[in-house]
Amino acid sequence: GESVGLHLPTLSVQEGDNSIINCAYSNSASDYFIWYKQESGKGPQFIIDIRSNMDKRQGQRVTVLLNKTVKHLSLQIAATQPGDSAVYFCAEINAGGTSYGKLTFGQGTILTVHP
Amino acid sequence: NAGVTQTPKFRVLKTGQSMTLLCAQDMNHEYMYWYRQDPGMGLRLIHYSVGEGTTAKGEVPDGYNVSRLKKQNFLLGLESAAPSQTSVYFCASTRTSGGTMGLYEQYFGPGTRLTVT
Repeated sequence: GESVGLHLPTLSVQEGDNSIINCAYSNSASDYFIWYKQESGKGPQFIIDIRSNMDKRQGQRVTVLLNKTVKHLSLQIAATQPGDSAVYFCAEINAGGTSYGKLTFGQGTILTVHP
Repeated sequence: NAGVTQTPKFRVLKTGQSMTLLCAQDMNHEYMYWYRQDPGMGLRLIHYSVGEGTTAKGEVPDGYNVSRLKKQNFLLGLESAAPSQTSVYFCASTRTSGGTMGLYEQYFGPGTRLTVT
């Protein structure tokens, strides 16, 4: 079936560096993508989203890039802080029709930020 | 606003026992979801509901039942627990449209860690 996956399962960076987390998706019909952050023992927390008619969206210290040609999504975190250490998931939706907001999640990337 | 809450936080069951997980949200959201998360994996959708009195199957519905008798509550039931159902269960809710953060921003509860022995 269709799936969303990640290139790198772990990423270690130094505090202050920029982090880039990647995600590949296979469902060409997906038209909405979301990045979630999950800290240990907690539920996923929404970070940022992007629609398929966009190729870039910026938030506070985070930027999501979408390349529909190669079905690739990335999350960039600027000036990474120890509090950014968590598992990051990408998720996708085919928002058309009767998707009812059902998310398909990737496996996740573990980000570790060293002081 | 408490957001999305889940009860209980932890539970240990013996094979064949039954239990109900409760999810409550105070944001007046129409859509609610139950996911399970296994080690090293993303979340997989078990069942979902698009409104009071309606439920539908997700990706991995076998062995689970759900009910949405009230808009704010979404219950997940295990009639006869199996070791394969050992997992962390997350409930989520979302608005149907609009919002400042995104059309489908889902708010997640803190999770219920279930062990079946």
